[in-house]
Amino acid sequence: GQQVMQIPQYQHVQEGEDFTTYCNSSTTLSNIQWYKQRPGGHPVFLIQLVKSGEVKKQKRLTFQFGEAKKNSSLHITATQTTDVGTYFCATGRSQGNLIFGKGTKLSVKP
Amino acid sequence: DAGITQSPRHKVTETGTPVTLRCHQTENHRYMYWYRQDPGHGLRLIHYSYGVKDTDKGEVSDGYSVSRSKTEDFLLTLESATSSQTSVYFCAISEGLEGLGYTFGSGTRLTVV
Repeated sequence: GQQVMQIPQYQHVQEGEDFTTYCNSSTTLSNIQWYKQRPGGHPVFLIQLVKSGEVKKQKRLTFQFGEAKKNSSLHITATQTTDVGTYFCATGRSQGNLIFGKGTKLSVKP
Repeated sequence: DAGITQSPRHKVTETGTPVTLRCHQTENHRYMYWYRQDPGHGLRLIHYSYGVKDTDKGEVSDGYSVSRSKTEDFLLTLESATSSQTSVYFCAISEGLEGLGYTFGSGTRLTVV
């Protein structure tokens, strides 16, 4: 079945450094959603991308959807300790539900 | 998030006993989902519902059943709990419209001993 692979699994950065997580698929995706889960918390919806080559920004976060709609990335500029957590990508299936990647766990050293 | 609550928040149960987890929403959303989260596996779909009495299986449905007799409530039952079902269970809701994403509950941490 359809899968999305996320890399890296873990990322440790120094506060102020940039961070990027990637989401890849072998098949064309209809859309990509991104979620953030703080330690001990629940996933929170960040954004959805649907168009080929789409780029969206939320403050220090930049989301991209590849031209072939087979990959996506989330980039955080100048990380802060509040960025700590696990970032998940997810894509919608024909049944209307989402399949999630395994996530990238970000830790930020002050 | 406001509008979706899960109960209980924590539960310890013995192997072989039935367990029911409850998800309650006040958003009148059509779609409801149960996911489990385990280290190294991310979020995996157990069952979902697209309306009252309309449910379907997800990718890890064995050993679980669900019921939705009212729009606002979605129950997940472990028919005979096993240690492999020790996990964090998340309920989510969605309007099913483009771009709005899922809203997740705070989760239930279930330990089967």
